[in-house]
Amino acid sequence: GAVVSQHPSRVICKSGTSVKIECRSLDFQATTMFWYRQFPKKSLMLMATSNEGSKATYEQGVEKDKFLINHASLTLSTLTVTSAHPEDSSFYICSAGTGENSPLHFGNGTRLTVT
Amino acid sequence: GQNIDQPTEMTATEGAIVQINCTYQTSGFNGLFWYQQHAGEAPTFLSYNVLDGLEEKGRFSSFLSRSKGYSYLLLKELQMKDSASYLCAVLNSNYQLIWGAGTKLIIKP
Repeated sequence: GAVVSQHPSRVICKSGTSVKIECRSLDFQATTMFWYRQFPKKSLMLMATSNEGSKATYEQGVEKDKFLINHASLTLSTLTVTSAHPEDSSFYICSAGTGENSPLHFGNGTRLTVT
Repeated sequence: GQNIDQPTEMTATEGAIVQINCTYQTSGFNGLFWYQQHAGEAPTFLSYNVLDGLEEKGRFSSFLSRSKGYSYLLLKELQMKDSASYLCAVLNSNYQLIWGAGTKLIIKP
């Protein structure tokens, strides 16, 4: 079946640095990728929707300049957390689909810890 | 409103079978997920159902009935390491994940 690979699974970084998370669709072309974040003790929340070759659509309250999303190819989307702060520590997960009404495939998530 | 209901806690015996139920009411439906979460760790993806029926994956199976707004996660041959919280989540029409509060599964020897 379709596989989405998310890397890294865990990352620890210092305040002020940037972290890049990769999301790859391994055996299919993903026209749309979604990025989610899990707040402590709360639900996963949709951060943004990215379409290959165009700018990402961010959900209300998500800072575009802080969470940079690049979907440069049909198999790769990246989320860069810039100038990370401890409050950015969270679980981030990506998903990918081939278009409307197609099933989504989820990565296994990235646990980010900012010290 | 949108909500996901699942039991708060369940207890089962090592080697046995347990079924964790989940019912949902959401604005639209684009799939239902089950996640396993050990204390202090991130959730681990278990299954994704978008069509009715049973999906089997090793010791774990997940069932979906869209007309009933119902799913269950079936765990067979329980092992002590299966002690964890099991989270049910539904992807709504806006591709937002609506999460249940989780079911804490306790496995006894």
